[in-house]
Amino acid sequence: EPEVTQTPSHQVTQMGQEVILRCVPISNHLYFYWYRQILGQKVEFLVSFYNNEISEKSEIFDDQFSVERPDGSNFTLKIRSTKLEDSAMYFCASGTGQGPNEQYFGPGTRLTVT
Amino acid sequence: QKEVEQNSGPLSVPEGAIASLNCTYSDRGSQSFFWYRQYSGKSPELIMFIYSNGDKEDGRFTAQLNKASQYVSLLIRDSQPSDSATYLCAVRNTGKLIFGQGTTLQVKP
Repeated sequence: EPEVTQTPSHQVTQMGQEVILRCVPISNHLYFYWYRQILGQKVEFLVSFYNNEISEKSEIFDDQFSVERPDGSNFTLKIRSTKLEDSAMYFCASGTGQGPNEQYFGPGTRLTVT
Repeated sequence: QKEVEQNSGPLSVPEGAIASLNCTYSDRGSQSFFWYRQYSGKSPELIMFIYSNGDKEDGRFTAQLNKASQYVSLLIRDSQPSDSATYLCAVRNTGKLIFGQGTTLQVKP
């Protein structure tokens, strides 16, 4: 069964450093998403991406964040200058965009900013 | 502010019982409703979705939607210890999902 994959599974970085989180969505899906979950809190929407552009973003997704689909399979989230409060699990999800538009989540990347 | 509310629990049921999980949402424009299961330290796993009023059954799971009351529920029949997890209600409005806090379910052998 096809699934969303993410790398790395755990990333430790120092405050102020740039990080890139990588995702490979399910191959026939057209919509891609990033969510994050701070420990003990809700899953929060960050951004959605369709047809090589951002279709929606949340207030969390400020100028420090960017997304890119550099090739036909990868979808990346870049955080330019990490802050302590960026420490969270980051989940990539993908969906067909059809019907109820159910979204399937990857295993996540645990980002720890020290 | 669009909100999705769930009782955080824990909800404790004996093995073999029916577990009933509830969720309310604030935005009447919400289009689709989802239940995800999340084990500790893992990602959300889609269990069911529903978008029409009424019941939808899939194996041991039944989702119920009442748009007039802005209420979604999930019933788990014949609960098993492996069902012990946090159950996340999510609501779609436009493309994004808005999640509730989740209800922790404990199924005791």
